[in-house]
Amino acid sequence: DSGVTQTPKHLITATGQRVTLRCSPRSGDLSVYWYQQSLDQGLQFLIHYYNGEERAKGNILERFSAQQFPDLHSELNLSSLELGDSALYFCASSAKNLAPSVYNEQFFGPGTRLTVL
Amino acid sequence: ILNVEQSPQSLHVQEGDSTNFTCSFPSSNFYALHWYRWETAKSPEALFVMTLNGDEKKKGRISATLNTKEGYSYLYIKGSQPEDSATYLCAFVPSSGTYKYIFGTGTRLKVLA
Repeated sequence: DSGVTQTPKHLITATGQRVTLRCSPRSGDLSVYWYQQSLDQGLQFLIHYYNGEERAKGNILERFSAQQFPDLHSELNLSSLELGDSALYFCASSAKNLAPSVYNEQFFGPGTRLTVL
Repeated sequence: ILNVEQSPQSLHVQEGDSTNFTCSFPSSNFYALHWYRWETAKSPEALFVMTLNGDEKKKGRISATLNTKEGYSYLYIKGSQPEDSATYLCAFVPSSGTYKYIFGTGTRLKVLA
């Protein structure tokens, strides 16, 4: 158990809908990262937040957005869902003890499996 | 487009064999390289964060080396065990200032008892 929690575990929804995935980092971790793993692609970095601020953006679609709240939990919002958005979404957190943050190892949550029908 | 390649794509070894695989990345703009171990139906687990040319890191029977000048990192497993069966992923972080993580497609290792 990495200490990172994600809810829900599974989510089934229809095309065109909007969903919110939630991530709680390990206690004390300020960084949260979101990743997408779909069948036809490997693990893709979406976005990184550090202490409430966006730090880096990867291959995140405009239909997707994220935020990190003052209590450090993060939400990934996916809207106008398409079949191709079906994937496993991971969040990870990392400690604040090393700078820059890319030098810290990341702890992954169990993931949320999204199925768009 | 920055490419991160891992080879081989998959590998079967016998229990007790030692093995190694490669992660290749652009030799310019290096910032950091992460290695992960990913077992089926689980989440990726961090193995090493490599930051300096010549870095060598070790965790039990697993070790990694880094050559930023030629753009590769090796992961070694000594005396492979069935529980080492997993996908080993590397993630390259370029020094472009935006700290994106670019993952390779992984090496799937199967250790046969």
